[in-house]
Amino acid sequence: DAGVIQSPRHEVTEMGQEVTLRCKPISGHDYLFWYRQTMMRGLELLIYFNNNVPIDDSGMPEDRFSAKMPNASFSTLKIQPSEPRDSAVYFCASSFGMVYNEQFFGPGTRLTVL
Amino acid sequence: QQPVQSPQAVILREGEDAVINCSSSKALYSVHWYRQKHGEAPVFLMILLKGGEQKGHEKISASFNEKKQQSSLYLTASQLSYSGTYFCGTEIKSGGSNYKLTFGKGTLLTVNP
Repeated sequence: DAGVIQSPRHEVTEMGQEVTLRCKPISGHDYLFWYRQTMMRGLELLIYFNNNVPIDDSGMPEDRFSAKMPNASFSTLKIQPSEPRDSAVYFCASSFGMVYNEQFFGPGTRLTVL
Repeated sequence: QQPVQSPQAVILREGEDAVINCSSSKALYSVHWYRQKHGEAPVFLMILLKGGEQKGHEKISASFNEKKQQSSLYLTASQLSYSGTYFCGTEIKSGGSNYKLTFGKGTLLTVNP
């Protein structure tokens, strides 16, 4: 398997623009996670899905952030409008099962909002 | 809810040992350990489960004290390749039958020749 695939790897945008990050989980995995990593806050869980259904979105910072998982092989994280404080590395991860199972992380998307 | 890791950073010479600690204020179902090298994604090392079961890396060991809600990662005879940031993740019940994995801020380990 190719592992978790994320695109784009780097995104530079201007404040106010819409940003869409994409993720393809490992085939057969039933959990998908979106994380944000910054120096100040570390690795934060934003939202996670089980069988394409959002389970816990309590980490989503505000209404500007939304995530979807239309099918088992694709998920998006959208920021609209983007702000400079959204600059971070966004990781997508997937796992087979939740409890007691390792998560496989994608390479991340480095987002810079000017 | 974020677990607390200590130390924040440690510098070793090749061959030396290190211990990284992780503590939580919540009852834990499991503790995960990951390592992240600069510019890369976190990579799974091991999971410690309630009841003492472990699964993961052969050359790195860890302990899990369920009563104290603490875990420690033991890196013995460190190698240059051990350098990176180590994260513990604590898995707690978040409601109903759902669980949540929350990561600490990480411990930066540098191994010098």
